[in-house]
Amino acid sequence: KQEVTQIPAALSVPEGENLVLNCSFTDSAIYNLQWFRQDPGKGLTSLLLIQSSQREQTSGRLNASLDKSSGRSTLYIAASQPGDSATYLCAVLDSGYSTLTFGKGTMLLVSP
Amino acid sequence: EAGVAQSPRYKIIEKRQSVAFWCNPISGHATLYWYQQILGQGPKLLIQFQNNGVVDDSQLPKDRFSAERLKGVDSTLKIQPAKLEDSAVYLCASSLGAGGGEKLFFGSGTQLSVL
Repeated sequence: KQEVTQIPAALSVPEGENLVLNCSFTDSAIYNLQWFRQDPGKGLTSLLLIQSSQREQTSGRLNASLDKSSGRSTLYIAASQPGDSATYLCAVLDSGYSTLTFGKGTMLLVSP
Repeated sequence: EAGVAQSPRYKIIEKRQSVAFWCNPISGHATLYWYQQILGQGPKLLIQFQNNGVVDDSQLPKDRFSAERLKGVDSTLKIQPAKLEDSAVYLCASSLGAGGGEKLFFGSGTQLSVL
């Protein structure tokens, strides 16, 4: 059974810092990996989707990398802003399945 | 483009009562998902529909939970009777295709409190 772990569980940084969120998964036979953002009381917004054959994806100040063989992904946020404060969730789609397995998320607070 | 619509936003019920949630996916999206998110946890898939057929309901507690997607468009999720441990946010999501490898679009969720 796939398990997804996210470290740290919570992170507080001052505005302007670059930061890295970590995601690990136990079964490397994945189809893709997604990073989501969740604001309080809201649903999830997909940020980046990395196919299993890809190494990284970039969108603006966000960069996500994938090392499938080691079961790891990182989300890099450059020049953090208070508007980046949210919970970031990692989810993997297993090969041969059609459902996502989510981690518990990292709660990020960026203070002005 | 309108997003995934869910109602109600909040619901408070007593244990053993019944409750229903409604979801209208993005127009044209074939696949619809119901997720349960307990506080401090990641979402857990309850049921996945493709058009009006069930693709995966392996984690749906079928003794108390039921879901339907009539005409392959909107969907309802029902809990009867509710238990304390059902307190969670119920998220509906949709995707354009069959679900594998496509981005999911989530609604804002229904927050359920069972007292």
